Amino acid sequence: GDSVTQTEGLVTVTEGLPVKLNCTYQTTYLTIAFFWYVQYLNEAPQVLLKSSTDNKRTEHQGFHATLHKSSSSFHLQKSSAQLSDSALYYCALNQGGSAKLIFGEGTKLTVSS
Amino acid sequence: EAAVTQSPRNKVAVTGGKVTLSCNQTNNHNNMYWYRQDTGHGLRLIHYSYGAGSTEKGDIPDGYKASRPSQENFSLILELATPSQTSVYFCASGQDWGGGDTQYFGPGTRLLVL
Repeated sequence: GDSVTQTEGLVTVTEGLPVKLNCTYQTTYLTIAFFWYVQYLNEAPQVLLKSSTDNKRTEHQGFHATLHKSSSSFHLQKSSAQLSDSALYYCALNQGGSAKLIFGEGTKLTVSS
Repeated sequence: EAAVTQSPRNKVAVTGGKVTLSCNQTNNHNNMYWYRQDTGHGLRLIHYSYGAGSTEKGDIPDGYKASRPSQENFSLILELATPSQTSVYFCASGQDWGGGDTQYFGPGTRLLVL
């Protein structure tokens, strides 16, 4: 079946340094959309980025991601991490024609000073 | 901004008891969802709905029922609660933006089954 893989359960980075959270996927569908959700402590998940266009960079709140269908990836990056970026990040896949999201297991990002 | 509310926010239940978690959305979204979140498992889909009167099984439906009596309301029902159902439950509503269904989450309900 379709799946989303986030290889790192925990990422720790120093404030001001770049950060990259990995997301790869497996799907048999041609029409797909991808999301990054962020969940701050004791809050609900909220959408951070979304994309359905191959090789197009999507940006929001200083984060960016590019869907690469050739490598089945949608990695999340930021050039300079902030303390306030500490949160749980989920990558998710929406199959074409389905209302369901397939979530990865999440990556906890900790930004330290 | 999408608005999804859940009640109760916290619930303590006894094993074998019936628990109903309620969700309301004011965005006129067709789709609604129930997830549970556990450490090490991320977000797992329990039930979802395409509109009033419809319910669909998600990935982990066993032990749960769902009800969608109206566009705005979607309930999750645990007929016989068990300690393994202790978790944080999130409701979400979804809007198709032409490239996929963006889901907006409620604040969550913490359920403890003793």
